Amino acid sequence: QVQLQESGPGLVKPSQTLSLTCTVSGGSISSGDYYWSWIRQPPGKGLEWIGYIYYSGSTSYNSSLKSRVTISVDTSRHQFSLKLSSVTAADTAVYYCARTLVTDLFFDYWGQGILVTVSS
Amino acid sequence: SYELTQPLSVSVALGQTARIPCGGNNIGGKNVHWYRQKPGQAPVLVIYRDYNRPSGIPQRFSGSNSGNTATLTISRAQAGDEADYYCQLWDSSTAWVFGGGTKLTVL
Repeated sequence: QVQLQESGPGLVKPSQTLSLTCTVSGGSISSGDYYWSWIRQPPGKGLEWIGYIYYSGSTSYNSSLKSRVTISVDTSRHQFSLKLSSVTAADTAVYYCARTLVTDLFFDYWGQGILVTVSS
Repeated sequence: SYELTQPLSVSVALGQTARIPCGGNNIGGKNVHWYRQKPGQAPVLVIYRDYNRPSGIPQRFSGSNSGNTATLTISRAQAGDEADYYCQLWDSSTAWVFGGGTKLTVL
């Protein structure tokens, strides 16, 4: 059974960089069959796709966040990571990591989510 | 950019049928997926590619997609079906897109 687990600081100061890691177990992050995504959900609001990474390192980002987002992968550690720079209170959200099949673009496995609050 | 429109809320009487619409331009030509999210939990896939159910999802859950509207249908609604439901698709200009979500209330 594939499992994804987010980790990182729950509190980030305004203007700083938010950094999160997703650890994948029960399945190979090096498989060419999947994209590995970050998705966020502000409190009481809907879901927003942030971006994805492929095992090779190729990425795609939501155009609304592209200037501030970097997603990277470490296949040896079975992890992929999110960095979001210059954060404001509007970036306060639950951040999820999730998996999609390359051939079927829905999210079949999700992490439990991690709440990140941007506040001084 | 592509946008998906969902009503904020839908109510259904216990044991009756709930229908949750998801509107989008020519959405019938795209693959639509649906997620259920209960408070404090991650979303769970309930329908993929318009009408397919993942293993473990009851047959009471079904989907359809035509024209400008995709619909998630929940038959014989139960109290445990109360949740937020999101539609989602992939679009070549916008990548992954989610609807705003619909809160289902079972009366």
